[in-house]
Amino acid sequence: EAGVVQSPRYKIIEKKQPVAFWCNPISGHNTLYWYRQNLGQGPELLIRYENEEAVDDSQLPKDRFSAERLKGVDSTLKIQPAELGDSAVYLCASSLGSEQFFGPGTRLTVL
Amino acid sequence: KQEVTQIPAALSVPEGENLVLNCSFTDSAIYNLQWFRQDPGKGLTSLLLIQSSQREQTSGRLNASLDKSSGRSTLYIAASQPGDSATYLCAVRQREGLETSGSRLTFGEGTQLTVNP
Repeated sequence: EAGVVQSPRYKIIEKKQPVAFWCNPISGHNTLYWYRQNLGQGPELLIRYENEEAVDDSQLPKDRFSAERLKGVDSTLKIQPAELGDSAVYLCASSLGSEQFFGPGTRLTVL
Repeated sequence: KQEVTQIPAALSVPEGENLVLNCSFTDSAIYNLQWFRQDPGKGLTSLLLIQSSQREQTSGRLNASLDKSSGRSTLYIAASQPGDSATYLCAVRQREGLETSGSRLTFGEGTQLTVNP
């Protein structure tokens, strides 16, 4: 069974540029999560989807971050414009029950 | 607000040694607790999940315990191997349901383990 797929794996951009990350969850998992992990820290939730509905986006910086999960499967996380402090690993996870399964992440470097 | 702390931040042991990683959390009203492993440049791999009604879970050389009332969990690794070298993360989930924060995992900062051959 395929795990959570994310792309790209690495992205380097200059500040003020836009960037987008893509996630394909495990087949059949209706819950999808986006986390941000800063160096040396644990992941922090940005947004959680139940099917296509964002049910927890309280920690998403909405002035520059946006996300969508139009058909309740794949999801895209966008940053526009990116700032230096956005450099981090962006992790996608999915779940059907209690246990969350994580993708490999996208490492973003903002110069 | 739930806070999760992991001690120690880093640990280096010789191969074959048994070791214990510690996790503590401030709000004992949790639904479950999950231990993850993270290799450099990789995502998180789930190791063990303990429901709030359980005291421990075992998988191979790994044993995780949970004392919800005191807000503590330990991950015991028996007969450590160089391949166990990774960062180990503890995460708690507050409660079930579709409430806005119901499924949010709160992570500790991790323990970076090095097992020397």
